[in-house]
Amino acid sequence: GAGVSQSPSNKVTEKGKDVELRCDPISGHTALYWYRQSLGQGLEFLIYFQGNSAPDKSGLPSDRFSAERTGGSVSTLTIQRTQQEDSAVYLCASSPTSPLTRETQYFGPGTRLLVL
Amino acid sequence: GQNIDQPTEMTATEGAIVQINCTYQTSGFNGLFWYQQHAGEAPTFLSYNVLDGLEEKGRFSSFLSRSKGYSYLLLKELQMKDSASYLCAVRGKPASGGSYIPTFGRGTSLIVHP
Repeated sequence: GAGVSQSPSNKVTEKGKDVELRCDPISGHTALYWYRQSLGQGLEFLIYFQGNSAPDKSGLPSDRFSAERTGGSVSTLTIQRTQQEDSAVYLCASSPTSPLTRETQYFGPGTRLLVL
Repeated sequence: GQNIDQPTEMTATEGAIVQINCTYQTSGFNGLFWYQQHAGEAPTFLSYNVLDGLEEKGRFSSFLSRSKGYSYLLLKELQMKDSASYLCAVRGKPASGGSYIPTFGRGTSLIVHP
C-alpha cells in the first residue's frame, strides 16, 4: 500500500524566502510527526499532530517555523524567512494512533532543503 | 529529557556479527526503538523493547537492560546491504506539556566490507 509521501523531494531556496513542505501520511493514521535531520546529527523532533491539533510543538526552533494539518490528513510545514542553518532533511512520519503505544512510526523519504 | 549515546561509526566484515550499543539517561522509560536508515532514504523500523531481555527477529536481535540504561542491536551474518545508519530512539517520561515522542540518538554508521 501507499506509504508516507513528501513533496518536494528537494528544495533550493535563497536566504530570506519562505518555503512550504508537504506531507501525506498513510491513510487512516491519526498521528503525524515532523523531524529535522542535519548532516551528522540525529533526528530532531519538531512537532506532533493528533488529528488536526498539535499537542506538542515543543521542538519548533523558532517562530519562523509553523505547521498545520487539515482534514486529519495532509500536513504542511512552513519556514518563513529561511536562514542557512535551516538547511537539512525534513522528515515526516505517521503512526496509526498515539505515541504511547508500541506501534512504529512510518517515515517518508524526506525533503532536502538547501538555503543559499 | 533524554540523553542518548551510540558510537558514531563501526566497520565489520561480510558474514560476521556486529553489536551496536546504545546507552541512555531518561527521567522515565517507556520503550526503546531501533531504526535502520540507508543513505538518502527514510528510517525504517527494526525493533522495539520495553521489557528487559532479548528480542530476536531473523538476523537482527535487540537487547534491553532498563536498570543499566543500555541496549544493543545485534546483526548476524552481515551482508553488504546492511551498510547503513542505525538509530536508537528512547521514549521517556515527557516534560510538562510534552508528549511521548521518542528522542533519537545521532545514529551509528555501519560499514560492511567484503
